[in-house]
Amino acid sequence: AQTVTQSQPEMSVQEAETVTLSCTYDTSESDYYLFWYKQPPSRQMILVIRQEAYKQQNATENRFSVNFQKAAKSFSLKISDSQLGDAAMYFCAYRRGNTDKLIFGTGTRLQVFP
Amino acid sequence: GAGVSQSPSNKVTEKGKDVELRCDPISGHTALYWYRQSLGQGLEFLIYFQGNSAPDKSGLPSDRFSAERTGGSVSTLTIQRTQQEDSAVYLCASSLMIYNEQFFGPGTRLTVL
Repeated sequence: AQTVTQSQPEMSVQEAETVTLSCTYDTSESDYYLFWYKQPPSRQMILVIRQEAYKQQNATENRFSVNFQKAAKSFSLKISDSQLGDAAMYFCAYRRGNTDKLIFGTGTRLQVFP
Repeated sequence: GAGVSQSPSNKVTEKGKDVELRCDPISGHTALYWYRQSLGQGLEFLIYFQGNSAPDKSGLPSDRFSAERTGGSVSTLTIQRTQQEDSAVYLCASSLMIYNEQFFGPGTRLTVL
């Protein structure tokens, strides 16, 4: 069975600094997708970034980028120039290529200090 | 346009009562998902509808849980004889079609006393 592990329950960062959130996953599949979702206090999950396993290039979306290490089954999220609005729960998620179910980690709560 | 909406936003019920949670997906989205988020946990998949196909119910934790989707749009998640362990946030998501990005609603926080 596929599993997603986020080993950092909480992280904090100073505004304008950079922070990296860790995620590891376990799968025997070769076709899969990885995601980072943000959940602010409003509870609404927002897709931050996605990575296709077959792509070697790391995905980037503005201040958000990932470090995808396929052999190590690691998928970390880097937030550059952190802003107060980045404070939220961040969830790493996995989806096998031929299914539509997302498997989530337990989340990392990110605090941003001014 | 309007996003995924869920009602009620919060629901408090007594153990043993039945509850219904509603999800209105984004118009035109053919796929609809239900997830459960227990305190301190990630999201757990419950059930998924795609068009007119039979739903994937593999994530439902017990036969007290059921869901339907009427007319390919609105969905209702029903929990019968609620238990305290059912207390959680229930999130609904929809996507244009399978394998597309899932857009989430704000969830319903269910508290079973």
